[in-house]
Amino acid sequence: DADVTQTPRNRITKTGKRIMLECSQTKGHDRMYWYRQDPGLGLRLIYYSFDVKDINKGEISDGYSVSRQAQAKFSLSLESAIPNQTALYFCATGTGASPPYNEQFFGPGTRLTVL
Amino acid sequence: GQQLNQSPQSMFIQEGEDVSMNCTSSSIFNTWLWYKQDPGEGPVLLIALYKAGELTSNGRLTAQFGITRKDSFLNISASIPSDVGIYFCAGQLEGGRDSGYALNFGKGTSLLVTP
Repeated sequence: DADVTQTPRNRITKTGKRIMLECSQTKGHDRMYWYRQDPGLGLRLIYYSFDVKDINKGEISDGYSVSRQAQAKFSLSLESAIPNQTALYFCATGTGASPPYNEQFFGPGTRLTVL
Repeated sequence: GQQLNQSPQSMFIQEGEDVSMNCTSSSIFNTWLWYKQDPGEGPVLLIALYKAGELTSNGRLTAQFGITRKDSFLNISASIPSDVGIYFCAGQLEGGRDSGYALNFGKGTSLLVTP
């Protein structure tokens, strides 16, 4: 079984709809991240969490919110989806321990299309 | 986030050739990571580097952490068709706790290998 799973893998929605993307991990890592990938722009950080009570905004958090329901679960919500949020979304985990504390491990991604 | 300059943007080579790509930054990093992304999948960690000057291999892949801590390169020797994909460099800034130890990504090098 995959260590980091994301659901759904693909989603098409309409402008104004609320969307939730879910991430689960079995790696036992405390740190979890949401990234967005756009063609030609690489991956950019949306939100990150060190634990259930520690959630922080990343580089491009506007229009997004997150919830850390448990150590193993981190969900991303688009409150009112807009077309320029069409992108690939990746969840990642990080160990937070002594070296290798900076390595991050990615899920398979969710392809979101907002019409 | 800090911009990483990754080059080349794309490479089209024949099977058996060696490949080299690099990443540079105007800021000092304490970690350099190299990932590979296959179509429809999330990035997979190939090599992690933690010390200036460090040279690390993983099979046919070799990566180095630049002495200035502002650059890194990845070499692939004797390329094979399954090396096809997008390769990303990622770095983590010194004192990165304030940004959640988030990674700054390059825009990727797209590698095509012909048999």
